[in-house]
Amino acid sequence: DGGITQSPKYLFRKEGQNVTLSCEQNLNHDAMYWYRQDPGQGLRLIYYSQIVNDFQKGDIAEGYSVSREKKESFPLTVTSAQKNPTAFYLCASSIGQGGNQPQHFGDGTRLSIL
Amino acid sequence: GESVGLHLPTLSVQEGDNSIINCAYSNSASDYFIWYKQESGKGPQFIIDIRSNMDKRQGQRVTVLLNKTVKHLSLQIAATQPGDSAVYFCAEKWTGRRALTFGSGTRLQVQP
Repeated sequence: DGGITQSPKYLFRKEGQNVTLSCEQNLNHDAMYWYRQDPGQGLRLIYYSQIVNDFQKGDIAEGYSVSREKKESFPLTVTSAQKNPTAFYLCASSIGQGGNQPQHFGDGTRLSIL
Repeated sequence: GESVGLHLPTLSVQEGDNSIINCAYSNSASDYFIWYKQESGKGPQFIIDIRSNMDKRQGQRVTVLLNKTVKHLSLQIAATQPGDSAVYFCAEKWTGRRALTFGSGTRLQVQP
């Protein structure tokens, strides 16, 4: 079945450590997105990519980095510069680059600090 | 700044009744709107979308209404079922921006 796979489902980070969250899609979608969701709140955009080898900062990009070397993959690194990384991270993709199409989401990675 | 918001944080309905979830938006330049359903521990699931050149769109048991005059979006769910219990988010896309802006969500509780 086509879809978006995020891994791992749960992740723990030590102080000062960088961690990378995986996002893979087999939908042949051009655009991919990363969001952060805090308890009881909506989604906030971290980074997005409209095409391979290109990406743009979202509303809360500080302390995060991404790469888009392949169309199907958009990994997110949470760096030690992100002082409050505990959250639910969601990856999404959409078929077009203009943003006027539904985004399809994975089932998220929950990141916690040890 | 301009943002998407919701009138009711929690909505409780009886099984079989119709549900209406409301969303207010403040950016008159938004050209695309979408509703998502999120169950606990899962990613948001697409329900229905609507473009700014439309007032109404229907899906299976769901209808989205867009009132651009008062900048209001609503999701109507007919014959609400226990499986409809979840958090519902509206999102908008501002003209010239290629990503969605999400509201804070409304929890729908369906009483048997």
